[in-house]
Amino acid sequence: DTAVSQTPKYLVTQMGNDKSIKCEQNLGHDTMYWYKQDSKKFLKIMFSYNNKELIINETVPNRFSPKSPDKAHLNLHINSLELGDSAVYFCASSAQSGTEAFFGQGTRLTVV
Amino acid sequence: GNSVTQMEGPVTLSEEAFLTINCTYTATGYPSLFWYVQYPGEGLQLLLKATKADDKGSNKGFEATYRKETTSFHLEKGSVQVSDSAVYFCALSPNQAGTALIFGKGTTLSVSS
Repeated sequence: DTAVSQTPKYLVTQMGNDKSIKCEQNLGHDTMYWYKQDSKKFLKIMFSYNNKELIINETVPNRFSPKSPDKAHLNLHINSLELGDSAVYFCASSAQSGTEAFFGQGTRLTVV
Repeated sequence: GNSVTQMEGPVTLSEEAFLTINCTYTATGYPSLFWYVQYPGEGLQLLLKATKADDKGSNKGFEATYRKETTSFHLEKGSVQVSDSAVYFCALSPNQAGTALIFGKGTTLSVSS
């Protein structure tokens, strides 16, 4: 049973399109996150939700919009995709915000 | 503020060599410290952790000790294997509401036989 699962694993799309990445955790955790990993492997927090409430919203373009329908799910929607959005996006969860996190397998987004 | 600094890579070793990857941190409060590992094409896996000063985390032959006096959490392994080739991330948890793990930039380890 996968603890944190995200889909799709790979996403190739054209500039200007809108796409979504879905994430689900079955650990019963209260907090979920989206991280972006760039081509140099650097990991940067983008968003975090605690019990469906947005608690971290780092400086990212407003083309990125997270949505948490319940505390087990956190989706990421991206409008008007740009070449610079190409990266690996990781979903993660933790029992409480700011504690040990469990990561999904990542979604490699390629914008062409 | 909180931050993590780890040694730049890549680190290239022969099988059975000794490994050290340095990690230092700055933090307010009482953080927990972690090492995560990312194998090629995969997500991040927790390798080991330490939640308070002088704690030693260990797993799969890797060890790291939480040193508050030197604000360090260096990763060590006595004898690396080819299968240890991966990217290693040092991370800090502020243990405060409304925060997230803060990662170092990652160190790529390549082990050859």
